[in-house]
Amino acid sequence: GEDVEQSLFLSVREGDSSVINCTYTDSSSTYLYWYKQEPGAGLQLLTYIFSNMDMKQDQRLTVLLNKKDKHLSLRIADTQTGDSAIYFCAESIKGNNDMRFGAGTRLTVKP
Amino acid sequence: NAGVMQNPRHLVRRRGQEARLRCSPMKGHSHVYWYRQLPEEGLKFMVYLQKENIIDESGMPKERFSAEFPKEGPSILRIQQVVRGDSAAYFCASSPRDKSYNEQFFGPGTRLTVL
Repeated sequence: GEDVEQSLFLSVREGDSSVINCTYTDSSSTYLYWYKQEPGAGLQLLTYIFSNMDMKQDQRLTVLLNKKDKHLSLRIADTQTGDSAIYFCAESIKGNNDMRFGAGTRLTVKP
Repeated sequence: NAGVMQNPRHLVRRRGQEARLRCSPMKGHSHVYWYRQLPEEGLKFMVYLQKENIIDESGMPKERFSAEFPKEGPSILRIQQVVRGDSAAYFCASSPRDKSYNEQFFGPGTRLTVL
């Protein structure tokens, strides 16, 4: 397909792990990103991964990349109510100027 | 160090009017990107500018839309003769260097409503 795809909604309980999945489009993609958008705010870069990596961990965040399936996931450990937001997956190719975004996954964390 | 600033945050226009959206990049950043977000969709790239130059406008509609990033002052996204389909959130991002590694910092967006 031509679009970066994500499921639109995810609901978890506080303290559980959240896993947000993304399928990207281009096997040439060099960089893959996760952004967080809180209500009324711009996008905040959470983490990124180079295409030659399989995994990246940063505190509560773990990014897994499966290049064969063009699948990217973001795991948030010990999810907190402050993690409630929309999470966007994005891809870019070195040398290109555009960045392609998914439609975003709205994460709701219930107490 | 202030972040990327956009104004206005909300803009209401009637069909046929002009909309001007402003973006001040972070201090020291000379690269600016504009994106459009339609409801329930991801961001779509519109245009990439450096000071006084449009580098890539492949995502921008050919008619009614224009962008500039003058030597002095903010970047401007201009939409002439707006139509209802232009209603969206418009985000600006800036980066300190070219896109070999794409660390873009986003502004809060301008939400345009066309009546």
